Amino acid sequence: AQSVTQPDIHITVSEGASLELRCNYSYGATPYLFWYVQSPGQGLQLLLKYFSGDTLVQGIKGFEAEFKRSQSSFNLRKPSVHWSDAAEYFCAVGGGQGNTPLVFGKGTRLSVIA
Amino acid sequence: DAGITQSPRHKVTETGTPVTLRCHQTENHRYMYWYRQDPGHGLRLIHYSYGVKDTDKGEVSDGYSVSRSKTEDFLLTLESATSSQTSVYFCAISPAASSYEQYFGPGTRLTVT
Repeated sequence: AQSVTQPDIHITVSEGASLELRCNYSYGATPYLFWYVQSPGQGLQLLLKYFSGDTLVQGIKGFEAEFKRSQSSFNLRKPSVHWSDAAEYFCAVGGGQGNTPLVFGKGTRLSVIA
Repeated sequence: DAGITQSPRHKVTETGTPVTLRCHQTENHRYMYWYRQDPGHGLRLIHYSYGVKDTDKGEVSDGYSVSRSKTEDFLLTLESATSSQTSVYFCAISPAASSYEQYFGPGTRLTVT
């Protein structure tokens, strides 16, 4: 069965600094990988996804993520964080057979300070 | 944005009363999901549906039931609400199981007093 670990519960970065949120997955075959963002009081919005091909994927809001099969990771990055990026971020993995739903990590809360 | 609505958006109810939350989609997607979100627990899957009248349990299904009589509607029922079911509930939809992203509704905040 697939699983996802987001090791960092809460991260604080300064505005303008770079950001990397970690995501590790467990899955036997090539996974489908997703990053979502949730602003306070809102539902989840898809940032980006990886299915196959180029291991560096670009998403909305200036985010990117890199799939590293050897490390079972799919870390999210942004070169310069804006105060509006403060939110909760969720990584998810899919690819199971039949009707198996996506599996979500527990999330990383990002705080941005001036 | 995917056409997903949830109703009600906010509800306060008393322990022991039945509660039904509704998720409505206009995308004609096959899969629909109910999650609850609590601090420290992330998103937890309650039930999901892979077609009309086809449903299955998720990670935290005890105390919840679901029904899907039409493609566009997925109902979540708390037969007898308890304080531990105070949470924010999200509906999501997807055209495929796990090879495609899910689209999320705005959420329903439920408080059981």
